[in-house]
Amino acid sequence: SQQGEEDPQALSIQEGENATMNCSYKTSINNLQWYRQNSGRGLVHLILIRSNEREKHSGRLRVTLDTSKKSSSLLITASRAADTASYFCATDAGSNYKLTFGKGTLLTVNP
Amino acid sequence: GAGVSQSPSNKVTEKGKDVELRCDPISGHTALYWYRQSLGQGLEFLIYFQGNSAPDKSGLPSDRFSAERTGGSVSTLTIQRTQQEDSAVYLCASRPPGQGHGYTFGSGTRLTVV
Repeated sequence: SQQGEEDPQALSIQEGENATMNCSYKTSINNLQWYRQNSGRGLVHLILIRSNEREKHSGRLRVTLDTSKKSSSLLITASRAADTASYFCATDAGSNYKLTFGKGTLLTVNP
Repeated sequence: GAGVSQSPSNKVTEKGKDVELRCDPISGHTALYWYRQSLGQGLEFLIYFQGNSAPDKSGLPSDRFSAERTGGSVSTLTIQRTQQEDSAVYLCASRPPGQGHGYTFGSGTRLTVV
């Protein structure tokens, strides 16, 4: 079953704009991670936020986590055409750090 | 190696045949995971290996699916008597020991059962 659910399913913006994607989950977690996938193949790890953290930054990425609402958001600032990809949130809740993925948000950045 | 290596990258097989998919994780990564992704869908967990512990097979969809990991390194996912619904991209990922690490994914094997 899906733990994380991303919203929106698809997002189309112009280059230079900011993109915000949201993720909701159902159970308590250890960590929440965001991944990017190009062309339906391997995923690339973007950022990890622990359950006791509220915000984290990495370059143009900003992730927030609200454990009381069981939700997270990924903000990509000053988007570029190369940011076009599917973005997945994933959560782990057990001692084996097994990740449960949502269905992803398809981001299209138009030049 | 520098990354997680999967082979073959593409596999077309006839319904009813057996297939073997290979994953070579990053050296030193004790945890290895297999997922599959059907077209336009999220990732579905299949199986997890951690060191010498018994694998977590809870995601395997049927007894036609099996996996092994030899010597704590290379893993092989075997699908027996393939069916058309097995068509998907099969992704392998590895992770260093301990908390706070993301997965490193391979590029996947696209399996098409005809």
